[in-house]
Order: sequence, then C-alpha cells, then structure tokens
Amino acid sequence: KAGVTQTPRYLIKTRGQQVTLSCSPISGHRSVSWYQQTPGQGLQFLFEYFSETQRNKGNFPGRFSGRQFSNSRSEMNVSTLELGDSALYLCASSETSGNTIYFGEGSWLTVV
Amino acid sequence: DAKTTQPPSMDCAEGRAANLPCNHSTISGNEYVYWYRQIHSQGPQYIIHGLKNNETNEMASLIITEDRKSSTLILPHATLRDTAVYYCIVRRLTTDSWGKLQFGAGTQVVVTP
Repeated sequence: KAGVTQTPRYLIKTRGQQVTLSCSPISGHRSVSWYQQTPGQGLQFLFEYFSETQRNKGNFPGRFSGRQFSNSRSEMNVSTLELGDSALYLCASSETSGNTIYFGEGSWLTVV
Repeated sequence: DAKTTQPPSMDCAEGRAANLPCNHSTISGNEYVYWYRQIHSQGPQYIIHGLKNNETNEMASLIITEDRKSSTLILPHATLRDTAVYYCIVRRLTTDSWGKLQFGAGTQVVVTP
C-alpha cells in the first residue's frame, strides 16, 4: 500500500502570495489532518477533515484553510504569506477507527 | 489530552537496548500512550501504542506501569538509523480527535557506534 503522498516537496514563495499544498492519503483512509512544524513552535495541529468536512481545527489564523475532496484527497491553502509561515507542512491520514495516524514526508515551504 | 514529560536528549550505544522514559501522571483511564519518531527532515513515523498492557511489535516494546502514570519505549538493539526525535503522546480516541496528535518537544536520541 502506498503511503501518504504530499506535493510539492519543496517550494519557495514570496511574502503576500498564496500557496496550495496537496495530500493524497493512504488508500481507504478517510481522515486527513495537517500539521505545521517550525523550529520555534514544534509540531502543531492545523486541522482535520473527514468525509469532506472539517472536524477539528487548531489555533491558527483564518489565512490557513483546507478542504477535502470526495476521494479523500486534501489540499491546504495559506493566503497572504508571511515570513513566519516558513515551515514543514505535514499531512497525515488515518482509517475510520482513528487508531493509528500515518504521516507523509511533508512539504517544505520557504517564504522570502 | 494529558501532557507528557520526556528527557530532552539521550545517547545510546549501537547494538544496545535504548530505554526511553515518558511521564504522563495525569493520564485518564481512556487515554492511550502513543510513540512516534521523526528522523531529521522526514515526517513522523508511528512506532507503537498501548492502553494498559505491554505491547511489542517489530520495531519496539512499550512498557506501561500498572498505575499508567509512566511508560518506557524500548528499542531492543539500537542502530545508527534509530537516531531521531522520539515523541511520547497521550491520546483519547474520540471521534472529534481522530486526526489530532499533541506533540511535545520529544527526546533527541543519538545512537553512537
């Protein structure tokens, strides 16, 4: 079974731009969640989607948004990028039981 | 979810067992103990989880004390590839928290030859 796939792996954006990151969960997994990892704040939960509905949200500004499609694939969007948004963005998926959460390799975003 | 306390760093000799402690003194009866690790620049990797009983899989063993206030992750024969940050997480399995993990700072484990 293929793991959680994230694209792109690396990207550089300019302050004020917006970015969209994509995530394909493990086949059969319907829950997709997103995390941000920075040196200063560590790994922080952004939000979680299940059956195309946002079910849980972390403490991030409204510039961070996401969505999930009917095939469980998910995207997250960050608008009006700030330098502090430079981070590793991780996507994770889990099956309906939610017992185990599996992570992708992440997307490295650099804002200049 | 209950908070966890881990030592910031540990060294381990290659080939020896690595015993990683975690304190979770405020854990509730329905909260599980999970362990993940993150090798530099990669996504976190699931290792093992348990509720009350000790658990073992191909990667590691998890020993949970009888009062459930602490646990130990054991890597039986550490290799250089086990060098990583190890996270101990306490988690309640409810429908509103399926995708959510609360990460602390973890333990930086360095395996030396």
